[in-house]
Amino acid sequence: SQKIEQNSEALNIQEGKTATLTCNYTNYSPAYLQWYRQDPGRGPVFLLLIRENEKEKRKERLKVTFDTTLKQSLFHITASQPADSATYLCALDPSGGYNKLIFGAGTRLAVHP
Amino acid sequence: GAVVSQHPSWVICKSGTSVKIECRSLDFQATTMFWYRQFPKQSLMLMATSNEGSKATYEQGVEKDKFLINHASLTLSTLTVTSAHPEDSSFYICSARDDAEQYFGPGTRLTVT
Repeated sequence: SQKIEQNSEALNIQEGKTATLTCNYTNYSPAYLQWYRQDPGRGPVFLLLIRENEKEKRKERLKVTFDTTLKQSLFHITASQPADSATYLCALDPSGGYNKLIFGAGTRLAVHP
Repeated sequence: GAVVSQHPSWVICKSGTSVKIECRSLDFQATTMFWYRQFPKQSLMLMATSNEGSKATYEQGVEKDKFLINHASLTLSTLTVTSAHPEDSSFYICSARDDAEQYFGPGTRLTVT
């Protein structure tokens, strides 16, 4: 069956450390993968998109990797801050194109001062 | 980044009534918008793809006669929950696609009493 898996357990880290979140998928061949941040009671906010031919993409303190062989994406936040505390969602288009998105369940990150 | 708005942000209605939710792309035109539903502590579940000028495409298990979608213009899509019941209480989120990226509205909290 097709699925997107994110660690459902909350990730607790100390301020200043690097947070690493994992997204694994099975039975998909996505052309790209996206990461979003969602705060309670709010819609997701787009963070980064990485295409299948890109190994890594960076944006300020954020870094995403995409391994199509392992069918895995890693999302890193360096020098984490309490304001980074939120749920992070990965998403992909199951058709392999640029149409609809389906989401993983998300990983809740808590950064402690 | 692109901005998507939703109205209302929250609504309480009685069982058996209908509720309309609006989704607008404020600074770009979107031929395709998407409607998601999110239950507490769960991920976003895609309900339907809204196409400007044509019928919406519903995901498996979503009742098209209950969740009416109208994409009247390149900046507006509406979702009407007809004959709402308490089990329809949820967080409804729309998104609009701008090239390969999707931008989400802030969500609408629907409570059916």
